[in-house]
Amino acid sequence: EAEVAQSPRYKITEKSQAVAFWCDPISGHATLYWYRQILGQGPELLVQFQDESVVDDSQLPKDRFSAERLKGVDSTLKIQPAELGDSAMYLCASSLEQDTGELFFGEGSRLTVL
Amino acid sequence: QKEVEQDPGPLSVPEGAIVSLNCTYSNSAFQYFMWYRQYSRKGPELLMYTYSSGNKEDGRFTAQVDKSSKYISLFIRDSQPSDSATYLCAMSDPLESRQGGKLIFGQGTELSVKP
Repeated sequence: EAEVAQSPRYKITEKSQAVAFWCDPISGHATLYWYRQILGQGPELLVQFQDESVVDDSQLPKDRFSAERLKGVDSTLKIQPAELGDSAMYLCASSLEQDTGELFFGEGSRLTVL
Repeated sequence: QKEVEQDPGPLSVPEGAIVSLNCTYSNSAFQYFMWYRQYSRKGPELLMYTYSSGNKEDGRFTAQVDKSSKYISLFIRDSQPSDSATYLCAMSDPLESRQGGKLIFGQGTELSVKP
């Protein structure tokens, strides 16, 4: 069964360090999303790509977060410098259609900032 | 006030019980309504998907949407211990989605089904 792959599953870092997360969506899914889920809350969208183009990054803290999807396939989300409040689960999702909301999520990357 | 409100629970029920999970929302433009199930330390998985108002049934699960009341529900019949998870409601505005907009999630209800 096709899955969204994410790595690393767990990351512990100290504040002010740089961290990066990688995502490989389901083959053929043109739309890719990065969500952040703080413990006890629902996921919140950080950035959405359609192929290699950013479609929505309105909630991405651009002073420290960056995301890219250079070839329109896999994607990287970077945080530099990490802050204590960035501790959360970072979820990647992909979808076949952009406007239906049928998202397929990866298992997530759990970040702990000390 | 959040766009989507969901009782966080936790909710604990005995095996075989009927479970009712609910969300309210404020944005009347929402047309797509979803329920995701999230097991501990896993990503959410799509459970039910409905468009506009009405009911949808899939096995032991029934999703209801009442747009006049801005209220959606998920019912689980004959609940099983394997149903123990966090249930997230989510919804989107199709116009905003076509422009690259987003799925808005509730905060999730943690459900525990005891054998």
